[in-house]
Amino acid sequence: DSGVTQTPKHLITATGQRVTLRCSPRSGDLSVYWYQQSLDQGLQFLIQYYNGEERAKGNILERFSAQQFPDLHSELNLSSLELGDSALYFCASSVGQTSGNTIYFGEGSWLTVV
Amino acid sequence: GQNIDQPTEMTATEGAIVQINCTYQTSGFNGLFWYQQHAGEAPTFLSYNVLDGLEEKGRFSSFLSRSKGYSYLLLKELQMKDSASYLCAVLLNQAGTALIFGKGTTLSVSS
Repeated sequence: DSGVTQTPKHLITATGQRVTLRCSPRSGDLSVYWYQQSLDQGLQFLIQYYNGEERAKGNILERFSAQQFPDLHSELNLSSLELGDSALYFCASSVGQTSGNTIYFGEGSWLTVV
Repeated sequence: GQNIDQPTEMTATEGAIVQINCTYQTSGFNGLFWYQQHAGEAPTFLSYNVLDGLEEKGRFSSFLSRSKGYSYLLLKELQMKDSASYLCAVLLNQAGTALIFGKGTTLSVSS
């Protein structure tokens, strides 16, 4: 158990819908990262927040957005869902934003768009 | 763009040694990580290299050559439970500490 908690674990929804994935980082960690993992693309970095502020942005679609709240939990919002958005979404956290910090992954949220 | 390359699949037998290579071409470099991921599970941290050379950790070792943009993960005394995907990831020099991952190498260990 990494200490990173993600909910829901599994989610099935229809195309065009909107979902919210939630992540609670390890106690004391200020950085939260979101990754998308699909079979053909591997683990793709989406976005990072540090202490409530956006720190780095990867291959995140405009239909997706995220935020980190004062209690440091984070939410990833996925809207206008398409079949291709079906993937395993991981949240990870680390203590800070300096180099060398190991990031710890949650168990992931399986999203299936039908 | 960022490019991290690893072989897609490798096979080996129990008790053997296997080396998984990773080459990278990235806009920045602040260290290289190796993660292990069993199917459907979270990636778990194995090793971190920021300086050239070999880091040894039990049955696992990782090597880095920054001038060559090259790393490898060496797994000794392979066990069936080592069957997993091994992900090479580069820590970029950005405002944050985003890890960029390769697509992973699926290792199958047979008896």
